[in-house]
Amino acid sequence: DQQVKQNSPSLSVQEGRISILNCDYTNSMFDYFLWYKKYPAEGPTFLISISSIKDKNEDGRFTVFLNKSAKHLSLHIVPSQPGDSAVYFCAASGNNNDMRFGAGTRLTVKP
Amino acid sequence: GAGVSQSPRYKVAKRGQDVALRCDPISGHVSLFWYQQALGQGPEFLTYFQNEAQLDKSGLPSDRFFAERPEGSVSTLKIQRTQQEDSAVYLCASSSDPSGRPEQFFGPGTRLTVL
Repeated sequence: DQQVKQNSPSLSVQEGRISILNCDYTNSMFDYFLWYKKYPAEGPTFLISISSIKDKNEDGRFTVFLNKSAKHLSLHIVPSQPGDSAVYFCAASGNNNDMRFGAGTRLTVKP
Repeated sequence: GAGVSQSPRYKVAKRGQDVALRCDPISGHVSLFWYQQALGQGPEFLTYFQNEAQLDKSGLPSDRFFAERPEGSVSTLKIQRTQQEDSAVYLCASSSDPSGRPEQFFGPGTRLTVL
């Protein structure tokens, strides 16, 4: 069962514009959410996280929003840069240690 | 700086062969995780170690999969009698905190192809 879903396999935006990546989850026991970025032939790299006690966390150009009632989170990148082009994974965990990942969204930022 | 390393980076096995995949976590990290990533999918949890103790192996897909971390540092994921459906990238991650938070640091993965 897919407890974390990223329904958009790809997203293309123009450099300088906002990128919005979306993620939905089904398990109400999840209390910690992360975004990872992955380049080809490399492992995922941590980007930003948010605890369920918050609804927003910001780090430079990256902001994660959490809507617990909708079981939805999103990652905003503004302004988008060509170097942001990668696959972005949403992940969630609860009080056990297994982290569930979405299938990923491939972001392409065009110069 | 030394991150998480994995070897080999690529492995081709004939169906029925046994394989062993190695993970060197970041020095001092108590938590170690193994994930399996099929093509076009996100990583799927396989197993978790806290030091040398395997605390969760609920994600291992069959009894052909076995993982160990005997001295609480290097870990080996072994797959016996490989099948074609085992073809995937196997990712190892480590964390300084037993909870795996705030983040897990991933290695580059081992791409296993079973012919």
